[in-house]
Amino acid sequence: EPEVTQTPSHQVTQMGQEVILRCVPISNHLYFYWYRQILGQKVEFLVSFYNNEISEKSEIFDDQFSVERPDGSNFTLKIRSTKLEDSAMYFCASEANTEAFFGQGTRLTVV
Amino acid sequence: GQSLEQPSEVTAVEGAIVQINCTYQTSGFYGLSWYQQHDGGAPTFLSYNALDGLEETGRFSSFLSRSDSYGYLLLQELQMKDSASYFCAVKEGGYQKVTFGTGTKLQVIP
Repeated sequence: EPEVTQTPSHQVTQMGQEVILRCVPISNHLYFYWYRQILGQKVEFLVSFYNNEISEKSEIFDDQFSVERPDGSNFTLKIRSTKLEDSAMYFCASEANTEAFFGQGTRLTVV
Repeated sequence: GQSLEQPSEVTAVEGAIVQINCTYQTSGFYGLSWYQQHDGGAPTFLSYNALDGLEETGRFSSFLSRSDSYGYLLLQELQMKDSASYFCAVKEGGYQKVTFGTGTKLQVIP
């Protein structure tokens, strides 16, 4: 069964450092998403991506964040200068026919 | 602004039926999804309703009333493995903006 894969599963970084979270969506899907979930809280929408550009973004997705699909398969989320409050689980999802498939997430810890 | 309300916790007995409600206030509503999330796991898609009415998928059913800004997830023949958090989520705005509810933690007891 096709699945969304994310790497790394866990990333520890120092405050102020840049991180890149990677995702390989399901190959024939057209819509891609990044979400984050702070421990014990709800899932929060960050950004959606369609046709090689951002289609929607939330208030959380400020200038510190960027997304790319550099090679037609990988889908990346970059955080330029991490803050302590960026510590969370980051999920990538891809969607076809209204059904979204989530990756297992990257747990980002900013110290 | 957008808001989705769900009960924070529900406890039900194995084999029983449980209903988890979701009320929402959003703009540009497209549809309501439901997700299951076990502790430490990723959300798993359960259902999507764009039109009013009941959608059934095995033991799980989902209902939507657009006029009431309300939906629910119905879980039948509860099993211990159904213990998890359940989130409703609204597609809104330009269709690709998704807002999740705060989640309902379901505990199934013997």
